[in-house]
Amino acid sequence: GAGVSQSPRYKVAKRGQDVALRCDPISGHVSLFWYQQALGQGPEFLTYFQNEAQLDKSGLPSDRFFAERPEGSVSTLKIQRTQQEDSAVYLCASSFPGGANVLTFGAGSRLTVL
Amino acid sequence: AQSVAQPEDQVNVAEGNPLTVKCTYSVSGNPYLFWYVQYPNRGLQFLLKYITGDNLVKGSYGFEAEFNKSQTSFHLKKPSALVSDSALYFCAVTGANKLTFGGGTRVLVKP
Repeated sequence: GAGVSQSPRYKVAKRGQDVALRCDPISGHVSLFWYQQALGQGPEFLTYFQNEAQLDKSGLPSDRFFAERPEGSVSTLKIQRTQQEDSAVYLCASSFPGGANVLTFGAGSRLTVL
Repeated sequence: AQSVAQPEDQVNVAEGNPLTVKCTYSVSGNPYLFWYVQYPNRGLQFLLKYITGDNLVKGSYGFEAEFNKSQTSFHLKKPSALVSDSALYFCAVTGANKLTFGGGTRVLVKP
């Protein structure tokens, strides 16, 4: 597609519910990243895929967070048993491989946990 | 570990005046440096990057940034700010694939 598409744009969950956030990257972009952005702060790295391989998941804050990209294209970020501190905007980005390449970001999924 | 510092939470400037947003970084090896801008309820948009070569990098919407290796800085500049430049600006550095962002600087350009 023309850009990185994320859904849903807004999600309200009750504490303890599971949520799934979807990212559809730019076609041909091998690298895919997930970031968490709290209100008024910079994005914090969560995890990184190259094709279907999850090469870095050092930023996932707990074992309640899980990401997958089974066919090397669409990715899903799943949060189990949501807590209030999980409330944030979750940003997905994609790029060609290599640190010099520009990341193209989606508009984000805003999660509010009540 | 790589890190980015943006010392100013907010920068206020009058329209038509020069705009500077400060950024310093820490990374092992040669840095790849980026500036992104974020408008309300939208994702981050790429402005410019430094990979190698000329220390002065020109980017979108009249923005430029100067890489200073000795000061480990990559300040964003615009000679004449517009009201439409009001947004949240992020500096970022990558060493090995992972992009690390600063905390952001809010720019407010007043008419």
